Amino acid sequence: SAVISQKPSRDICQRGTSLTIQCQVDSQVTMMFWYRQQPGQSLTLIATANQGSEATYESGFVIDKFPISRPNLTFSTLTVSNMSPEDSSIYLCSVGTGGTYEQYFGPGTRLTVT
Amino acid sequence: SQKIEQNSEALNIQEGKTATLTCNYTNYSPAYLQWYRQDPGRGPVFLLLIRENEKEKRKERLKVTFDTTLKQSLFHITASQPADSATYLCAPGAGGSYIPTFGRGTSLIVHP
Repeated sequence: SAVISQKPSRDICQRGTSLTIQCQVDSQVTMMFWYRQQPGQSLTLIATANQGSEATYESGFVIDKFPISRPNLTFSTLTVSNMSPEDSSIYLCSVGTGGTYEQYFGPGTRLTVT
Repeated sequence: SQKIEQNSEALNIQEGKTATLTCNYTNYSPAYLQWYRQDPGRGPVFLLLIRENEKEKRKERLKVTFDTTLKQSLFHITASQPADSATYLCAPGAGGSYIPTFGRGTSLIVHP
């Protein structure tokens, strides 16, 4: 298993600004993922954060809006850019161990955009 | 497109009873299916994985079944406890993919 921390745990931001969310893992992992979870909705994958290369984005998500960095095997950031109230959500990072299909999730970042 | 259906209504049961949660999927032939638990304000926690060639999987008080003909998985918690109250997510995945598709989850409330 892996222990994952996220910063900040929550934030209230004004529209038009940007927020960078950090994800730290206690061990080196190959796969890191960023999800969004809106109230009452399922987890939606934003992108897979690849170490040493650009992130792979899912349909509906673009790099300009959600730039991702993955400088090493234990850390990643997700930036939510030019925020609007529609970006209000919980953002979660998760890691995969590679040998199995299970994922380990961070506690999430609750973002409110006013 | 793929569709994962979990009962959106909360399941209320009495302590000690068996809770059964349902996950149905359409337009999909997953090679495996996972179940996660999510508490309010927390990230999901992995519970069990069952593969397409397995009919049933058990772990302590948990049991998962996987019926590829019915396109359904059932998740059972026996001798339920108030501490089992949470939202349970099912997440089927395609073979070779480490990224499952998550359902919306079903809220379980166990009353003392």
